[in-house]
Amino acid sequence: GENVEQHPSTLSVQEGDSAVIKCTYSDSASNYFPWYKQELGKGPQLIIDIRSNVGEKKDQRIAVTLNKTAKHFSLHITETQPEDSAVYFCAASIPPDQAGTALIFGKGTTLSVSS
Amino acid sequence: EAGVVQSPRYKIIEKKQPVAFWCNPISGHNTLYWYLQNLGQGPELLIRYENEEAVDDSQLPKDRFSAERLKGVDSTLKIQPAELGDSAVYLCASSSGTGGNTGELFFGEGSRLTVL
Repeated sequence: GENVEQHPSTLSVQEGDSAVIKCTYSDSASNYFPWYKQELGKGPQLIIDIRSNVGEKKDQRIAVTLNKTAKHFSLHITETQPEDSAVYFCAASIPPDQAGTALIFGKGTTLSVSS
Repeated sequence: EAGVVQSPRYKIIEKKQPVAFWCNPISGHNTLYWYLQNLGQGPELLIRYENEEAVDDSQLPKDRFSAERLKGVDSTLKIQPAELGDSAVYLCASSSGTGGNTGELFFGEGSRLTVL
């Protein structure tokens, strides 16, 4: 089945710097790759996603890149702010069956942005 | 619009006791998921429902865990009897994506279980 590896597990940056989190997946049939942000005591919340027919997607300070050949995708956050401090999870879709699909998550990256 | 609602938010029980968690998904979302999140880990899928049918329960420990989604709306996840290793956050999520078209998963705030 699908396996998702995420690195690094912790990341500390200064406010204004960029942060990059990388993930690899194992099943070439996966076609959907979202990123979730989880704040303390809350459930994960989608921040950006990309499908397998696209190589890059950007939304203001956040961007995601996908390399299908190498089976890896990355989250890029520019001009980081203290409110970006949280745990970030990458995920990959389980190849769908007749009834639908689900997500397999990485183990998470704790991002700390210091001012 | 209300998001995914879970209750209770916190539950402390002694081992071997039963416990149940309830989830109300976003209105109109046919797909409902229960995920387990251990401390410092990512969510792990326990069970997925399409309407009232459990279409993927391969990761659900069926000797002590059970789930139901009556009428294809609310869902309940039960553990009986609870073990120390069941201490975790139980997340419910819902999605409007079906038939292979993965859509955004909307998560509730989770139910944190502590087994003593």
